[in-house]
Amino acid sequence: GIQVEQSPPDLILQEGANSTLRCNFSDSVNNLQWFHQNPWGQLINLFYIPSGTKQNGRLSATTVATERYSLLYISSSQTTDSGVYFCAVATFYNQGGKLIFGQGTELSVKP
Amino acid sequence: EAGVAQSPRYKIIEKRQSVAFWCNPISGHATLYWYQQILGQGPKLLIQFQNNGVVDDSQLPKDRFSAERLKGVDSTLKIQPAKLEDSAVYLCASSLSGRSNQPQHFGDGTRLSIL
Repeated sequence: GIQVEQSPPDLILQEGANSTLRCNFSDSVNNLQWFHQNPWGQLINLFYIPSGTKQNGRLSATTVATERYSLLYISSSQTTDSGVYFCAVATFYNQGGKLIFGQGTELSVKP
Repeated sequence: EAGVAQSPRYKIIEKRQSVAFWCNPISGHATLYWYQQILGQGPKLLIQFQNNGVVDDSQLPKDRFSAERLKGVDSTLKIQPAKLEDSAVYLCASSLSGRSNQPQHFGDGTRLSIL
């Protein structure tokens, strides 16, 4: 099955710093979503981005489907950005839409 | 629009007891998913419903887990009897029609602790 790898596994930032999280996947996809899981366990949908670039405030994401990777950019980080960021994909071959998740990047933003 | 609703938010039981979780998807969403997230890992699919039929339950431990989606709306996931390794967050998600090119929307999850 498809493999999803996220890097880095852990990241510590000072408030105000910028960061880039990466997601590599091993097969063609037609769904890619980025999620933020906050310390209370809630999984927040950040982007639905199977290709192209999107921006939402301080966050933006780019997926290059032909090269099988996606990037999540966080600018001017805040302590509330702390938590785990997951990338998840679904393939053309699985029309049921099952999402395969990476292992996540744990982000800690220090004041 | 209202999001995916789940209850309870937390549950603590002893091993060998039974437990049930409830999920109400976004109105009009035909597809409902249950995922299990063990601490330190990403969520993994347990079962997927399309309306009231099962599409994929290949990863559901059927000797102890069961799920139903009567009338194609709400869903219940049950564990009986619970084991220590079932300690996890159980997430419900829904999508409009279940095609792989549609986003999934997640509920807040139920955190289950087995003593």
